Amino acid sequence: NAGVMQNPRHLVRRRGQEARLRCSPMKGHSHVYWYRQLPEEGLKFMVYLQKENIIDESGMPKERFSAEFPKEGPSILRIQQVVRGDSAAYFCASSPLAGPSTNEKLFFGSGTQLSVL
Amino acid sequence: QKEVEQDPGPLSVPEGAIVSLNCTYSNSAFQYFMWYRQYSRKGPELLMYTYSSGNKEDGRFTAQVDKSSKYISLFIRDSQPSDSATYLCAMEGNTPLVFGKGTRLSVIA
Repeated sequence: NAGVMQNPRHLVRRRGQEARLRCSPMKGHSHVYWYRQLPEEGLKFMVYLQKENIIDESGMPKERFSAEFPKEGPSILRIQQVVRGDSAAYFCASSPLAGPSTNEKLFFGSGTQLSVL
Repeated sequence: QKEVEQDPGPLSVPEGAIVSLNCTYSNSAFQYFMWYRQYSRKGPELLMYTYSSGNKEDGRFTAQVDKSSKYISLFIRDSQPSDSATYLCAMEGNTPLVFGKGTRLSVIA
C-alpha cells in the first residue's frame, strides 16, 4: 500500500506564474488535508477536503489559492500568480476517517517544495 | 499569545541521554495531543497520540499531558543518532490540527 504521494517534489516558478501541486491519498482514504510549512515556522493548516467537497478552508488565503479533490484523480492545490512569499513546503495528509479521532490515522506525504523566483 | 508554543532549539545531546521536549498551549478546547517526528525533506510521521492527562509510553518514548497546566512533554530515553530530527507537537479540539514550530534535535554519537 503506497503512502501519500505528492508531486512534484520540487517546483520552481517565476513570479506571476501558476503553481499546481498534486496529492494522491493513500488507498482507501477519502479525507485530504493541505498544510504549508514556511522556514522556521510550524505546519499551518490550509484546507480540508473530502471527495468533491471542501469541508474547511479556514486556513486558505482569500485570494489566488484554491483546492479541489475530484471524484477521480488526485487532490490539487492551485496557486495563481505566485509571489515570493508563497515559497514554502506544502504538505498533503490523508485519512480514512473524519472527526477528532482522525489524527490517529493521519498520514503525511513528503511534500512539495515550491520556490518562487 | 500563540495557541501553541514550542522552543525551536536546536537541542544537541550525547547518545544515550534522556531528551525532554515540551509544548505549552492556551486553547482549553484542545483535547487531542500528538507528537510528530520530521526528518529533513520528509513529511511528519506520527509518534505518539494521547487524549487524556497522564503518561503514555511506547518503547523509548513517553508522552505526558497536563491539561491543568496546558503543558505537554515528550521524553526520549536512551537517545540514538537516528532520533536526530525535528519534533513537532500538535493539538486538536474543535479546530483542525495546530502545530508547534518544532524542536530540532541532534543526538551526537
